[in-house]
Amino acid sequence: DIQMTQSPSSVSASVGDRVTITCRASQGISSWLAWYQQKPGKAPKLLIYAASILQSGVPSRFSGSGSGTDFSLSISSLQPEDFAIYYCQQAMSFPLTFGGGTKVEIK
Amino acid sequence: EVQLVESGGGLVQPGGSLRLSCVGSGFNFYSYSMNWVRQAPGKGLEWVSFINSGSSAIYQADSVKGRFTISRDNAKNSMFLQMNSLRVEDTAVYYCARDLSYYMDVWGKGTTVAVSS
Repeated sequence: DIQMTQSPSSVSASVGDRVTITCRASQGISSWLAWYQQKPGKAPKLLIYAASILQSGVPSRFSGSGSGTDFSLSISSLQPEDFAIYYCQQAMSFPLTFGGGTKVEIK
Repeated sequence: EVQLVESGGGLVQPGGSLRLSCVGSGFNFYSYSMNWVRQAPGKGLEWVSFINSGSSAIYQADSVKGRFTISRDNAKNSMFLQMNSLRVEDTAVYYCARDLSYYMDVWGKGTTVAVSS
């Protein structure tokens, strides 16, 4: 199975800050990576797939990069509605696996 | 509006069974592969099972293999998860999610399964 490791597990930031979250795969997954946002009590929402493709309707302040084993999600200017937990997910092979999550908290 | 609605969750004793349902609307359900994903209380996301549009390809997590069975009825725009031999560690919110090349682009609101004596 491919293990996905996210860092940091949590980050405190202020509105307007740039935030970057990283995700590392235990083996190469090319660009088969997605990022999801989850708010308390809600279902996850797809933000980015294929490592860097923005899902329709997602604000352009979100961006993704990377390939192989190392990936990142950046939020260029944090907005109040961006405080949430973010998960990466590999789509290279079954079983599909998620990272442990990164909680973006208000500073 | 594209929508997925889960149902069938509840409280069950260890060793019991439940059948979850997911109904899709607003899109051609028969054209899409589907997934079940679960989230234990206070924990992260865990993929559970995948079924392709024609039910010819099915994959499952090792943690549920031999106990859970995924199926679908395209005529009823529905997907199911038959869960047998339930364990305390199966307690979670279960989401159905539409598949986009092994990503998940549409999610339901989830249904809660609690396994406890």
